[in-house]
Amino acid sequence: EIVMTQSPATLSVSPGERATLSCRASQSVSSNLAWYHQKPGQAPRLLIYGASTRATGVPARFSGSGSGTEFTLTISSLQSEDFAVYYCQQYNNWPPTWTFGQGTKVEFK
Amino acid sequence: EVQLVEFGGGLVQPGRSLRLSCTASGFTFDDYAMHWVRQAPGKGLEWVSGINWNSYSIDYADSVKGRFTISRDNAKNSLYLQMHSLRAEDMALYYCAKDLGPMVRGVFDYWGQGTLVTVSS
Repeated sequence: EIVMTQSPATLSVSPGERATLSCRASQSVSSNLAWYHQKPGQAPRLLIYGASTRATGVPARFSGSGSGTEFTLTISSLQSEDFAVYYCQQYNNWPPTWTFGQGTKVEFK
Repeated sequence: EVQLVEFGGGLVQPGRSLRLSCTASGFTFDDYAMHWVRQAPGKGLEWVSGINWNSYSIDYADSVKGRFTISRDNAKNSLYLQMHSLRAEDMALYYCAKDLGPMVRGVFDYWGQGTLVTVSS
């Protein structure tokens, strides 16, 4: 099983600041990496797939980068609606044993 | 607007069975693969099972293989998860999720609100 490790566990940020979240895979997943965020009491929402492609309707302040085992999600200027838990997920291996990271909580500083 | 509505969750004793359903609207259901993803209370996300558009390709997480069966009825725009031999560790909020395309790719672009399965005696 590919283990996805996210850091930090919690990120304290002020509105308008830049946030950088990291995700590391235990083995290469190429660019088969997605990012989601989840607000309390809500379902996850897809932000990024293919490591860097924004999903439909996702604001341009969200950007993804990386390949292989190291990935980054950057939120250029944090808005109040961006405070949430962020998960990375690999979808590289076949047969699928797709795995999520444990999450990074972005909280108000 | 894409909508996914899950139902069928509830309280069930260990070892018993439960069937979850998901009704889809707002898109052409038989053009897309579908999945079940679960989240234990206060925990992270775990992919459970996926099925391609015509049911020819089906996959399961090792944790549920042999106990859970995914299926779909394209005429009814519905996805199902039959769960047998339920264990305490199966207790979770079960989400229905849509894939990006017809084949099982593993990118979940729309999610339902989930249905809660509680396994307890």
